Amino acid sequence: KNEVEQSPQNLTAQEGEFITINCSYSVGISALHWLQQHPGGGIVSLFMLSSGKKKHGRLIATINIQEKHSSLHITASHPRDSAVYICAVRNSGGSNYKLTFGKGTLLTVNP
Amino acid sequence: DAGVIQSPRHEVTEMGQEVTLRCKPISGHNSLFWYRQTMMRGLELLIYFNNNVPIDDSGMPEDRFSAKMPNASFSTLKIQPSEPRDSAVYFCASKTGGETQYFGPGTRLLVL
Repeated sequence: KNEVEQSPQNLTAQEGEFITINCSYSVGISALHWLQQHPGGGIVSLFMLSSGKKKHGRLIATINIQEKHSSLHITASHPRDSAVYICAVRNSGGSNYKLTFGKGTLLTVNP
Repeated sequence: DAGVIQSPRHEVTEMGQEVTLRCKPISGHNSLFWYRQTMMRGLELLIYFNNNVPIDDSGMPEDRFSAKMPNASFSTLKIQPSEPRDSAVYFCASKTGGETQYFGPGTRLLVL
């Protein structure tokens, strides 16, 4: 069973700040996902990573397979980025569908 | 496409009552997941269907929970009898053969 830990649990920032959310896992993985859950409750997939780095607009996700660690960065943060960000992993050698989720990081960006 | 559709969006019921949650996956998606989200445990997989067949129900907490997928466009999750500890948000998600899962808006269940 993979343990997925996210830090920080809560993060408050001012508009324009650079944000970093971290995710660590304990067992080798095939893929890592970053998800976003807005206050209304809907969950949206942001990134899927198996190595390296991906960028989409102001969001950047990186992964270090050797260190079992991933980061989600938000540049020039905006109040509309306020949401819960969830890291999820799919174990290597395991099923091709099962994800283990972190408990999420609640981000609040103040204007 | 309309995305994954779930109903009801909110449900308040009394302990002991039967609760039925419904999900319509995205057309063409052959995998369907039911998840439960609580503050304490986060998101947990309850059951996974592939091509309408239950593949993994190891996350179903107990016999009070059951799920069906009678066809490719409809699934139900039933709790009978419901208990206060079942209060949570229940999500349905679907996908094709790729990695990305598409989540429905969730059903917020409160059992009094």
